[in-house]
Amino acid sequence: DADVTQTPRNRITKTGKRIMLECSQTKGHDRMYWYRQDPGLGLRLIYYSFDVKDINKGEISDGYSVSRQAQAKFSLSLESAIPNQTALYFCATSPRGVHTGELFFGEGSRLTVL
Amino acid sequence: EDKVVQSPLSLVVHEGDTVTLNCSYEVTNFRSLLWYKQEKKAPTFLFMLTSSGIEKKSGRLSSILDKKELFSILNITATQTGDSAIYLCAVAGGTSYGKLTFGQGTILTVHP
Repeated sequence: DADVTQTPRNRITKTGKRIMLECSQTKGHDRMYWYRQDPGLGLRLIYYSFDVKDINKGEISDGYSVSRQAQAKFSLSLESAIPNQTALYFCATSPRGVHTGELFFGEGSRLTVL
Repeated sequence: EDKVVQSPLSLVVHEGDTVTLNCSYEVTNFRSLLWYKQEKKAPTFLFMLTSSGIEKKSGRLSSILDKKELFSILNITATQTGDSAIYLCAVAGGTSYGKLTFGQGTILTVHP
């Protein structure tokens, strides 16, 4: 089983709908992240959380919200989806404290907004 | 604003060729530079570099960092079709290791 699990893996929705992407991890890491990937733009940080009570905006947080329900769970919501939120979304984790900087990624959630 | 730029954006080669992928960066309080390989799904970690001039090597892949000129290269020798992927460069800076800034990625295609 994957250490970082994202659901759903694929989702097609319509403009204006509310969408939630969920992420759970068994790595025991404190830090969790949501990135989106668009062709030619690499990965861009949406939100990150360094522990259950800590939530921070990334570089492209507009139109998104998050919830850190537990150490192991971090959800990303699109309150009213729009077509330019069509992208591949990745959840990632890392341990607390000084470390390599390596992130551990989930398999990705492909979202299409029509 | 932190910035990571990769070149070329795409590259097509034949098996056996050697390729060099480039990554330049501007980041406040540099901590580390990382290379990832992404095939059809999640990025997988290749290397982490923190010191200039020290080559990291894994099989046919190697990477080196130049902190004075603010760039890194990833070399792949004797390429194989299985090397076809997106190669991502990312930099950790600021006050936290975990918050990475990624480049656009280089799409490498290796033909038989």
